[in-house]
Amino acid sequence: GENVEQHPSTLSVQEGDSAVIKCTYSDSASNYFPWYKQELGKRPQLIIDIRSNVGEKKDQRIAVTLNKTAKHFSLHITETQPEDSAVYFCAATQNRDDKIIFGKGTRLHILP
Amino acid sequence: GAGVSQTPSNKVTEKGKYVELRCDPISGHTALYWYRQSLGQGPEFLIYFQGTGAADDSGLPNDRFFAVRPEGSVSTLKIQRTERGDSAVYLCASSLNGGLNSPLHFGNGTRLTVT
Repeated sequence: GENVEQHPSTLSVQEGDSAVIKCTYSDSASNYFPWYKQELGKRPQLIIDIRSNVGEKKDQRIAVTLNKTAKHFSLHITETQPEDSAVYFCAATQNRDDKIIFGKGTRLHILP
Repeated sequence: GAGVSQTPSNKVTEKGKYVELRCDPISGHTALYWYRQSLGQGPEFLIYFQGTGAADDSGLPNDRFFAVRPEGSVSTLKIQRTERGDSAVYLCASSLNGGLNSPLHFGNGTRLTVT
């Protein structure tokens, strides 16, 4: 089955700088890659997703890139703000079974 | 509108007891998922329902775990003979119809503590 690896596990960046979180997946049939943000004590919430027919997607300060050949995808947050501090999870799934597999998460700290 | 609702929010039980965790999905969502999240870990897939049927239960750790969704809406996750290792936050999520065009909407979870 699918296995998703995520790194780093913890990331600290200065406010205003960029943050990058990277994930790899094992199943070449995976074709949907969502990213979730989870603030302390709250539910995970979808922030951006990308499908396998697209190489990059951007939404304001957040962008995601996908390299199908290498089976890795990344989340980029620019101009980081204090409210970006949270745990971020990448995930992967195939349409045929709809079972979304999550990475272990990255705890992002935005330093003042 | 109303999101995914999970009850109870917290449950403390003794080792060996039986517990039931309830999930009310967003109205009209046919797909329902149960995940388990341990401290510092990502959500771990347990089971996925499409309508009333379990489309994939490959994540259930053993036969002490069982889930039902008899009318295709509310779902109950049942854990028999609880063990301390079952302590975690149990997350429920729903989506409109599963598949790529239906993002997951998570509930706030039930924090289960087995003493």
